[in-house]
Amino acid sequence: GAVVSQHPSRVICKSGTSVKIECRSLDFQATTMFWYRQFPKKSLMLMATSNEGSKATYEQGVEKDKFLINHASLTLSTLTVTSAHPEDSSFYICSARDGFTGTGRDQPQHFGDGTRLSIL
Amino acid sequence: GQQLNQSPQSMFIQEGEDVSMNCTSSSIFNTWLWYKQEPGEGPVLLIALYKAGELTSNGRLTAQFGITRKDSFLNISASIPSDVGIYFCAGQSSARQLTFGSGTQLTVLP
Repeated sequence: GAVVSQHPSRVICKSGTSVKIECRSLDFQATTMFWYRQFPKKSLMLMATSNEGSKATYEQGVEKDKFLINHASLTLSTLTVTSAHPEDSSFYICSARDGFTGTGRDQPQHFGDGTRLSIL
Repeated sequence: GQQLNQSPQSMFIQEGEDVSMNCTSSSIFNTWLWYKQEPGEGPVLLIALYKAGELTSNGRLTAQFGITRKDSFLNISASIPSDVGIYFCAGQSSARQLTFGSGTQLTVLP
């Protein structure tokens, strides 16, 4: 259980293009999903928290107009990198936590397989 | 902001050896998690710890949530080649956000 699917796994596109990345929880409902960015040989940096039915909460220094997040359903969040430039090239990873299974404990975050974004 | 110090940064060990890595924090976390990441993939949850002092095993992996709630360690016993990867600790705050350690790159030599 607790499978998170992220699509696409790799994108190569020209500078100025907007790119949409999808994150789906396949076997559970996620009221909250998270978007991370990871540079080579570095740790994961939280970009934003995506809340179903409401606006995302962005971390300090993350441009909300550059990284548009939509969490329209309990199983899908999307990250759109608008007018992407070479400096936006990175590994983007989403995660989701089951907000409904009642175990008395906080459900851990489960991660997608990431999207390698390369902007030429 | 919260910071996690994870050590060691990298380890080269012989197959069959035991491995230990740890994380310390400047602040308290409610939950400690350990993940493993392989190249080109997302992190995979190994162990979740919910109570101070909790010791939990998952096969050859054992992790403990420190009494002070500011640290955690992960042990891997009898390492095998497929243990290769980057291991991350992560602390979860009351806001359910994760703060990740810097990672430990594990290489297992045959």
